[in-house]
Amino acid sequence: DAGITQSPRHKVTETGTPVTLRCHQTENHRYMYWYRQDPGHGLRLIHYSYGVKDTDKGEVSDGYSVSRSKTEDFLLTLESATSSQTSVYFCAISEEGFSYNSPLHFGNGTRLTVT
Amino acid sequence: GESVGLHLPTLSVQEGDNSIINCAYSNSASDYFIWYKQESGKGPQFIIDIRSNMDKRQGQRVTVLLNKTVKHLSLQIAATQPGDSAVYFCAEISGGSYIPTFGRGTSLIVHP
Repeated sequence: DAGITQSPRHKVTETGTPVTLRCHQTENHRYMYWYRQDPGHGLRLIHYSYGVKDTDKGEVSDGYSVSRSKTEDFLLTLESATSSQTSVYFCAISEEGFSYNSPLHFGNGTRLTVT
Repeated sequence: GESVGLHLPTLSVQEGDNSIINCAYSNSASDYFIWYKQESGKGPQFIIDIRSNMDKRQGQRVTVLLNKTVKHLSLQIAATQPGDSAVYFCAEISGGSYIPTFGRGTSLIVHP
């Protein structure tokens, strides 16, 4: 397994509360990604990072922010959780961006329920 | 096998059969493809990849075929085992981009 740890693995929170999900890697990979996975939609990119303090938006970034202050940690924050953000969130890493010999490796996900 | 489109199709096979899972991609500029396996409660796991300058690539019990003419990718699993039961999906990327596009997946069910 690629050294990726997501925490927490499960969380239930109420609408309007802030939530932070953490992704920690031990591979020293440059790129880190946050995806959400919902039935009927597959994996959709929220934000990604190409280095410390270097981040960019994905296709479903509204309502989410990220921070990367260290190579090994990538945080995803829901400033004010909504029921539409109930999902399974996956962190992924790649050595030099998704490309030949640098595929994405995924963590085991965080299941977030917003009530 | 069944194509991955807007739905999550299901492929049911008997243990020992060969399985074929399909993926149609839309970007003719895509030049790198990966198949992932996702077991229940886990993250996607890399299985095998192929570059666009290849038509076929073989791994252990798995073969990926690429038909660029019709923009079609397939994953063949030989002698399917119950442990192969999972959702399989493809990912594609075109040169210059670091953001892959993922298919929606096919659920493979292997009956003992």
